[in-house]
Amino acid sequence: DQQVKQNSPSLSVQEGRISILNCDYTNSMFDYFLWYKKYPAEGPTFLISISSIKDKNEDGRFTVFLNKSAKHLSLHIVPSQPGDSAVYFCAVQGAQKLVFGQGTRLTINP
Amino acid sequence: EPEVTQTPSHQVTQMGQEVILRCVPISNHLYFYWYRQILGQKVEFLVSFYNNEISEKSEIFDDQFSVERPDGSNFTLKIRSTKLEDSAMYFCASRGVGSPLHFGNGTRLTVT
Repeated sequence: DQQVKQNSPSLSVQEGRISILNCDYTNSMFDYFLWYKKYPAEGPTFLISISSIKDKNEDGRFTVFLNKSAKHLSLHIVPSQPGDSAVYFCAVQGAQKLVFGQGTRLTINP
Repeated sequence: EPEVTQTPSHQVTQMGQEVILRCVPISNHLYFYWYRQILGQKVEFLVSFYNNEISEKSEIFDDQFSVERPDGSNFTLKIRSTKLEDSAMYFCASRGVGSPLHFGNGTRLTVT
């Protein structure tokens, strides 16, 4: 049941540059999308979300883009900082639950 | 900032034993969830709970699993007879109306 796919298991970016994390989903009925960040030994932490009526939502260094026709969303972090090193999960809101992708481990190199 | 708290942080149990994982959701939240993450895999939905009943459950959530909200603050997940493959991080989450899920820091369950 691969409703949400993050095809890059890892990404390495230099500090100060832009990090771009990608996510694809299969069901065009989904209408609310979220990104969570997870540090080791902690639970996922909500980062940013977007509803299907928008194509962009920005919060400080974080911007989420939604391309409904391609069923694709992305998270941009700029500038990237060492504290951004974590696993990032995209998630889609179903009727009674969130469905997560497999996660992308982001490493920010100094 | 209010947070979801889970106890214990690590639980070791023998195969066939019962375990109860405990969670205190954020106090004004109405929707409660359990998720799990097997090492190296994705975060998987187990069950959602609203108005004192299960609203949805996954195929993982079989008869060995149950949830309860015994009082106004706790939300528990019970596994009646643990199997080796139940070893995972179990995350409790809660949310209010129109808000995103807030997760606890998880309980690492190790079944030997």
